[in-house]
Amino acid sequence: QVHLVQSGAEVKKPGSSVKVSCKASGGTLNSYTISWMRQSPGQGLEWLGTIIPVSGSTNYAQKFQGRVSITADEFTSTAYMELSRLRSDDTAVYYCGKEERVTFHDYLQIESWGQGTLVTVAS
Amino acid sequence: SSELTQDPAVSVALGQTVRITCQGDSLRTFYASWYQQKPGQAPLLVMYGKNTRPSGIPDRFSGSFSGNTVTLTITGAQAEDEADYYCNSRDSSAEYYVFGTGTKVTVL
Repeated sequence: QVHLVQSGAEVKKPGSSVKVSCKASGGTLNSYTISWMRQSPGQGLEWLGTIIPVSGSTNYAQKFQGRVSITADEFTSTAYMELSRLRSDDTAVYYCGKEERVTFHDYLQIESWGQGTLVTVAS
Repeated sequence: SSELTQDPAVSVALGQTVRITCQGDSLRTFYASWYQQKPGQAPLLVMYGKNTRPSGIPDRFSGSFSGNTVTLTITGAQAEDEADYYCNSRDSSAEYYVFGTGTKVTVL
């Protein structure tokens, strides 16, 4: 069983960048699609983007295009989400999640989630 | 703003049926998935596609769709079903995924 383990909490200054990692413990990323979501305090879920590691294909939410980059390192079985030009409203819990397929689809079928990483943006 | 609209909150008496709806133009073309989220926890997939439950999800959860609306039904709601529920599908451009606005379900 492959579990996703995310990196720890971060505190960042406005205008800086953050890079959150998501390691597939007990397996590789080759058979999965990895997505990143976030949830601001008291708010709903928001999709940031998706990567299919075996092909490198990515799809980013229009709202975050130019500011988000999602990559995957198959050798370390780790996916990364980097968000730049941080603002205070980027303060949120960031989640990675995996789907057991290697295609984009009608909907996200995320059956395994990371534990979440709190990113706080404050001066 | 989300292109998938959900009622902010619904309540249901213990053991009764509750229907959680998700509306959006894209749902005329695309199927959806549903997630349950309890406070302080990561979301949990409870339904996807036409009407498929992941392993371990009780059969009191069911899904349906009609026109621009998908519905998650909990038949015989239990106290442990109290949570936030989010739908997910494509947006109206069909290029991007989007989550619904979320529904808080309270079991009385």
